[in-house]
Amino acid sequence: AQTVTQSQPEMSVQEAETVTLSCTYDTSENNYYLFWYKQPPSRQMILVIRQEAYKQQNATENRFSVNFQKAAKSFSLKISDSQLGDTAMYFCAFMMVAGNMLTFGGGTRLMVKP
Amino acid sequence: DSGVTQTPKHLITATGQRVTLRCSPRSGDLSVYWYQQSLDQGLQFLIQYYNGEERAKGNILERFSAQQFPDLHSELNLSSLELGDSALYFCASKRGGSSGANVLTFGAGSRLTVL
Repeated sequence: AQTVTQSQPEMSVQEAETVTLSCTYDTSENNYYLFWYKQPPSRQMILVIRQEAYKQQNATENRFSVNFQKAAKSFSLKISDSQLGDTAMYFCAFMMVAGNMLTFGGGTRLMVKP
Repeated sequence: DSGVTQTPKHLITATGQRVTLRCSPRSGDLSVYWYQQSLDQGLQFLIQYYNGEERAKGNILERFSAQQFPDLHSELNLSSLELGDSALYFCASKRGGSSGANVLTFGAGSRLTVL
């Protein structure tokens, strides 16, 4: 079974600065997808970014980018130029290519301070 | 609006009761997933359906059941409710069964409070 671990329960960052959220996972699979989802106070789950394991290039979506280290089974999320609206819970998640289930980490609560 | 519709948004009921949560997936999505999120907890996978058939089962209690109908909407039935069942229940949908971009789109959730 796959497991996803987020070792930082809470983090804070000043507005306009950069913050990195950590995620590690455990799998014996070679092909899979990794995701970061954001859950703001509204509780809606919003996809932030997605990475295919077979792609060496790190995914980027505007101010959000990942550092994918396949050998280390690490998948960190970097948020640049943090904004107040980035305040949310962030969940790292894993899915096998032929999988039917998205496995989530325990989440990191991020607070962006003015 | 994600395109995934969940009703009701909020539900308050008593222990021992039974409730039904409803989910309409995005147009064209064949897979429906149910997740439970207890207070300040992560998301626990309950069950997945693809085009009307059960495809995967997670930590779903025997008191809970689900089904997906021919029009692809899904219902999650929770019975003999206990205080610990109070949670946010998410439905998510995906285009294909085990292929495609594998991106789950989530609904806004149904918040269940058991008193």
